[in-house]
Parts: sequence; C-alpha cells; structure tokens
Amino acid sequence: SQKIEQNSEALNIQEGKTATLTCNYTNYSPAYLQWYRQDPGRGPVFLLLIRENEKEKRKERLKVTFDTTLKQSLFHITASQPADSATYLCAPRGGRRDDKIIFGKGTRLHILP
Amino acid sequence: GAVVSQHPSRVICKSGTSVKIECRSLDFQATTMFWYRQFPKQSLMLMATSNEGSKATYEQGVEKDKFLINHASLTLSTLTVTSAHPEDSSFYICSARIGPGRGNSPLHFGNGTRLTVT
Repeated sequence: SQKIEQNSEALNIQEGKTATLTCNYTNYSPAYLQWYRQDPGRGPVFLLLIRENEKEKRKERLKVTFDTTLKQSLFHITASQPADSATYLCAPRGGRRDDKIIFGKGTRLHILP
Repeated sequence: GAVVSQHPSRVICKSGTSVKIECRSLDFQATTMFWYRQFPKQSLMLMATSNEGSKATYEQGVEKDKFLINHASLTLSTLTVTSAHPEDSSFYICSARIGPGRGNSPLHFGNGTRLTVT
C-alpha cells in the first residue's frame, strides 16, 4: 500500500538557521507533491506544489525539491523564524482528476529564539 | 480568496446523540468537498468525498450510515455523526478544491471541529 514517511516527530532549529524537512514515499508514483502547514487546532494551509518534472520550487523563504528517483521531497525554510513553528504536512497526489490527496503524519517544527 | 468556513469549532455531546458539522465555501463554488478525521499526532485520514447533488464516496472502513454526508449545494456540505460514541471523539476537518479537480489544485481547509463525546 502507499506509504508516506516524514522525518522525526519534532525538529528543533535555532532561529535564523535553515530548517529541512523530509518526505519519503513508497509504492507510489505521484505526479504532484504538495506541502501544507498546520497550526494546533487549525486546518492545514497550502504552501507549495511541485510537479514530478520539476526539480525545485521556491516561494519567498521556502524551497521544495522533488526527486522521483529517490522517491523523496525536501522542504526547506531559510532564515527561520519562531513564527514558522508549526506542523508541516507532505501530500503526494497522482495526476488523475479522481486521485486522492494522501497526507503524511507531518513533522512538528520548533524554531527556537 | 478561497475561504472555507466550518462550524461549530467545538462541540461536546453525550453518547448516543447526533452531531451535525457544516462546511461552507464562502467565495467559491465547490462541486467536491472532502471530510477528514485527525487523531492526536496522527495524519489526516480521508473519510469521504462529498459530491454536490450525488451520494458521497466513503473510504474503506468508514461507516456511511454512521457518518452521514449531504452536499445539497455548491457551497455547503454537512457531516452528521449519528449515535456518537466516545471513540468518535476526534478532530474533523473539511476541505474543498476550486475548479474541476486537476491534480495541481490545492485543498482549502476549514478550521476543523473538535468533537468530544462523553
């Protein structure tokens, strides 16, 4: 069955450093991979999408990579800030209209001031 | 844009009663909405896909008679947890997608409903 793994349950990063979160998937060949942010007690918020034919995507301080050979996506936050503290969810999806979005468990990120 | 409103945000009910949760797309039409459930420190689990004007599609293991879904308009879907039991206590989140559902369309989520069954 399809499996999504995100690295560690919690990641502590010093403010100003780059935070790198990992998403690995197995038994799956997604056409797209989305990243969401979820704050406690709230619904997820969409951040970035990367397609299978894209190696890298950037948006302000965020950068996502997609390696279909390694079956992995990396999510980077540069110049991290305490406000970046949240849970980040990886969500691969196939390319068909009826394909479902499956979410990983998420990585809790704590940016330490 | 793309705001999804979910109500109520919290509800406490007694075992055996039913609870209705509403999910509205405020500034767009959503032909498809999705209902998720999330237990503490777990991922979002898709329960069902709600299609306007037709029956919902439930995921394996989700009882359709227990979790009633109605999607009567392009901006409103409701989830009713019938005969709730303590094990139904969870965080329920709805989401919607703008457009016909291409693979690159992101999901827009409501802020969830924390259900506690006593």
